[in-house]
Amino acid sequence: GAVVSQHPSRVICKSGTSVKIECRSLDFQATTMFWYRQFPKQSLMLMATSNEGSKATYEQGVEKDKFLINHASLTLSTLTVTSAHPEDSSFYICSASWEQRQYNEQFFGPGTRLTVL
Amino acid sequence: GEDVEQSLFLSVREGDSSVINCTYTDSSSTYLYWYKQEPGAGLQLLTYIFSNMDMKQDQRLTVLLNKKDKHLSLRIADTQTGDSAIYFCAEIRGYSTLTFGKGTMLLVSP
Repeated sequence: GAVVSQHPSRVICKSGTSVKIECRSLDFQATTMFWYRQFPKQSLMLMATSNEGSKATYEQGVEKDKFLINHASLTLSTLTVTSAHPEDSSFYICSASWEQRQYNEQFFGPGTRLTVL
Repeated sequence: GEDVEQSLFLSVREGDSSVINCTYTDSSSTYLYWYKQEPGAGLQLLTYIFSNMDMKQDQRLTVLLNKKDKHLSLRIADTQTGDSAIYFCAEIRGYSTLTFGKGTMLLVSP
């Protein structure tokens, strides 16, 4: 159980376009979803935390208008990279959890590789 | 400092034990974790340890926690080529914010 999927797994887009990444919890209801960004050979950096039905909380230095997060239901959160530029190219990973989950575990999706040309 | 620190690379031979070390920063972290990431994939939780424990063993994995020094280690016994991956330690800050180290790349050679 506790499977998280992401779609697409890879996306290549032109500079200036917007890209939407979906994160779904397949077999549980996720009250909280997290979005991370990972650069090559680097750690995961938390971008934002979203709770179902409320606005996302962004980490310092992450542009809200650039990275739009919507957590419309208990099984789906979306990250939209608006007006993407080459420096937005990265590996984006989501995770999901629920209230009072055992040992505060987060379940991670397989990631989305974004390449902006 | 603010960072979770790990050595970046470890190379071992198949059958040997691997020890990956980590220092963390938040003494109030309730849980500490080890995650595994295979190339191009997401993170898989390997094991965790509650902050009031010194040691946890789970099959081939042994986690040691030294709270005084804020030091965490992961020992993998009888390391296999399939264990080759990047291993992240992570601490939890606050209720749910995970802070990761930069990851240790483990290379297991036959």
